Amino acid sequence: DIQMTQSPSSLSAFVGDTVTITCRASQGIKNFLAWYQQKPGKVPTLLIYDASTLQSGVPSRFSGSGSGTDFTLTIGSLQPEDVGTYYCQEYNSAPLTFGGGTKVEIK
Amino acid sequence: QVQLVESGGGVIQPGRSLRLSCEASGFPFSRHGMHWVRQAPGKGLEWVAVIWHDGNKQQYADSVKDRFIISRDNAKNTLFLQMNSLRDDDTGVYHCGTSGTGWPYHGLDIWGQGTTVTVSS
Repeated sequence: DIQMTQSPSSLSAFVGDTVTITCRASQGIKNFLAWYQQKPGKVPTLLIYDASTLQSGVPSRFSGSGSGTDFTLTIGSLQPEDVGTYYCQEYNSAPLTFGGGTKVEIK
Repeated sequence: QVQLVESGGGVIQPGRSLRLSCEASGFPFSRHGMHWVRQAPGKGLEWVAVIWHDGNKQQYADSVKDRFIISRDNAKNTLFLQMNSLRDDDTGVYHCGTSGTGWPYHGLDIWGQGTTVTVSS
């Protein structure tokens, strides 16, 4: 089974900062990676799929990059509404493992 | 509109069984691979199982293999999760989900609100 390691587990940044979250797969997954945002008390929403394709309706300050084993989610200018937990998920092969999550807070 | 509505959760004793349902509307259910994803209280997301659009292939997380069964009734636009031999660590909110593409191996952009399962004696 593929293991997905996210870092950091939490971060705190100022409004307007650029924030970067990384996700590492234990083996190559090509670009079969999604990023989700889960706001407190809410259902997860898809931000990015295929590692770098922005889901329709998602603000352009979110971007994804990477392939193989190393991936990055970048929030270009952190906004108060971006507070929540972010998860990566691989869908190269079952089980479709999620990363452990990164909790993002505002300083 | 596109919607997934889960039901069937509740409080159940360890070792017992429970069946969850997920009713779909607003999209061609019979052409979509469907997933169950769960979240234990205060914890992260855990993928549970997937079933292909025609029901002919299912895959499971190691933690539920041989205990849970995912199935579907395309005539009724409904997905199921039969949970047997329940354990304390099966407690959580169970969501059904799918991709707008229909392909089972893709990011999930359609989620239900979830149904809560509490395994406790």
